[in-house]
Amino acid sequence: QSVLTQPPSVSAAPGQKVALSCSGSNSVIGNNYVSWYQQLPGTAPKLLIYENNKRPSGVPGRFSGSKSGTSATLGITGLQPGDEADYYCAAWDGSLSVVFGGGTKLTVL
Amino acid sequence: QVQLLQSGAEVKKPGASVKVSCKAPKYLFTGFYMHWVRQAPGQGLEWMGWINPDNGGAKYAQKFQARVTMTRDTSVTTVYMDLSGLTSDDTAVYYCATGDMTTVRDYWGQGTLVAVSS
Repeated sequence: QSVLTQPPSVSAAPGQKVALSCSGSNSVIGNNYVSWYQQLPGTAPKLLIYENNKRPSGVPGRFSGSKSGTSATLGITGLQPGDEADYYCAAWDGSLSVVFGGGTKLTVL
Repeated sequence: QVQLLQSGAEVKKPGASVKVSCKAPKYLFTGFYMHWVRQAPGQGLEWMGWINPDNGGAKYAQKFQARVTMTRDTSVTTVYMDLSGLTSDDTAVYYCATGDMTTVRDYWGQGTLVAVSS
């Protein structure tokens, strides 16, 4: 059972937008930065968002991150078939450990 | 392209140890922390700890504290993750990845499958 809670699955149609949630406690999300990762089938995870809302170079602007209180959200607009993947949130837990959410499987219908 | 090059797949017996290596180019070896993250088959990501290649300091997740050791060899810009007392629950793909102290970030290895089976 993860310290960070993510819905197991989300689905949406191509071209639509989707919001993936990540909830935790004040000591984890509330007081620390959240990052988001995309894992395509059979590949290593890839950083999408760091420090709540910053995108590494090369990550399309269709991906955005936000945080409010003890929850964080990854937004994806203009969904494409290639966005079908597992998405994980992560944060520092305040006691010298990184914690990951359980992951959300995004299906693009 | 792969920036971090990990060692090949391993098959181990229960109770054995495994040592996975992760070779980084010099520009990723200094000034970054190297994290280790594992993923059991069909499961999510699990953080194991990090090592600071600059000074060898390491921090481990409490779950692995008693049986994991992370080291580095600066002469070959390689970090190592040694996990002892293997059980079938340790069957997973193990990744190294660069980052800072609190965040796993931009560069990931290709992953190393460790299978534990009698």
